[in-house]
Amino acid sequence: KAGVTQTPRYLIKTRGQQVTLSCSPISGHRSVSWYQQTPGQGLQFLFEYFSETQRNKGNFPGRFSGRQFSNSRSEMNVSTLELGDSALYLCASSLTSGSSPYEQYFGPGTRLTVT
Amino acid sequence: GENVEQHPSTLSVQEGDSAVIKCTYSDSASNYFPWYKQELGKGPQLIIDIRSNVGEKKDQRIAVTLNKTAKHFSLHITETQPEDSAVYFCAPANNNDMRFGAGTRLTVKP
Repeated sequence: KAGVTQTPRYLIKTRGQQVTLSCSPISGHRSVSWYQQTPGQGLQFLFEYFSETQRNKGNFPGRFSGRQFSNSRSEMNVSTLELGDSALYLCASSLTSGSSPYEQYFGPGTRLTVT
Repeated sequence: GENVEQHPSTLSVQEGDSAVIKCTYSDSASNYFPWYKQELGKGPQLIIDIRSNVGEKKDQRIAVTLNKTAKHFSLHITETQPEDSAVYFCAPANNNDMRFGAGTRLTVKP
């Protein structure tokens, strides 16, 4: 079974631009979560999507948004990029989402550099 | 919200020795306790997890122990090998809310 894939793997953008990152979950997984990883803040939860609906959201500004498609693929968008948005963006998929805690499987991440 | 602390932040052991990493959490409603391993250039990989109704789980050289009363759980790696060198994260979760510890950098010296 193929793992979680993320595209692109590396990206360089300029302050003020916007960026869209893509995540394809493991086949059959309907939940997709996004995380930001930086040396200073560690792994921080952005949001989770399940069946095309945002189920949970972390403490990030509205410049960070996401969506999920009917095939469970997900995209996240960051508008008006700031230098502090430079990070590794990780996507994780899981089989279920709901009242029971679930096992998450991570992709390799997209390394975003904002200059 | 959940406050997660992981200790130590760095750990260096000799090949063949054991390594123990401890994770303390604050949310008494947490009911899922995974450990992730992250190697350079890769995403975190789930290596072992435990749920709140179990006190200990073992998988070959790795084990996780849970003390719900004291709100901490630990990762135990026995007979360490150089390929165990990585950053390890705990991530206690309550339903959909998973919060990661700051990570422990484990170095296994040959």
